[in-house]
Amino acid sequence: NAGVTQTPKFQVLKTGQSMTLQCAQDMNHEYMSWYRQDPGMGLRLIHYSVGAGITDQGEVPNGYNVSRSTTEDFPLRLLSAAPSQTSVYFCASLPGPGANVLTFGAGSRLTVL
Amino acid sequence: RKEVEQDPGPFNVPEGATVAFNCTYSNSASQSFFWYRQDCRKEPKLLMSVYSSGNEDGRFTAQLNRASQYISLLIRDSKLSDSATYLCVVTITGNQFYFGTGTSLTVIP
Repeated sequence: NAGVTQTPKFQVLKTGQSMTLQCAQDMNHEYMSWYRQDPGMGLRLIHYSVGAGITDQGEVPNGYNVSRSTTEDFPLRLLSAAPSQTSVYFCASLPGPGANVLTFGAGSRLTVL
Repeated sequence: RKEVEQDPGPFNVPEGATVAFNCTYSNSASQSFFWYRQDCRKEPKLLMSVYSSGNEDGRFTAQLNRASQYISLLIRDSKLSDSATYLCVVTITGNQFYFGTGTSLTVIP
């Protein structure tokens, strides 16, 4: 099992550009989520999904879109990147409600100039 | 107010020392509690869950005090390999995990 796979690992964007961070898991997990990690702020939840076709906002959703068309994939879209979105992004998954071990991807380091 | 607060440290301790981290949470309805470990430039990984009765895993002991809303992690006989950032995590609903900013530990030879 590959677990949770994130791509790309590194990306540099210019302000206003769009991009998609990819996240895929091969564990048949129902729950998937996106976090951003910034110095002094800890990990903050951006969006999450409890199953295919269902998404919801987390703590810091502004500037990001998500969709969940399959159980395996949960892409994070930045429609118009801003320097404030410079961060490390982690995708994480759980088997389902009540499960308590978040499995993280290796992270995607994004810089917006 | 943040859901979870931790002293960021850094804690610099010699090998073999005992070190303790504390964490407080603000929501009395918090359901589950964990310590995650994060190595530099890596993803967080579960270290241990925290149960009301307290629990131990080798050199690591976790405690939960619901009345005072704090969680602790004790590391005995510190090893160089324990150097990492330790994240306190709580859930309020089953699906939303709230992370502290982390406490940095460096174990010195």
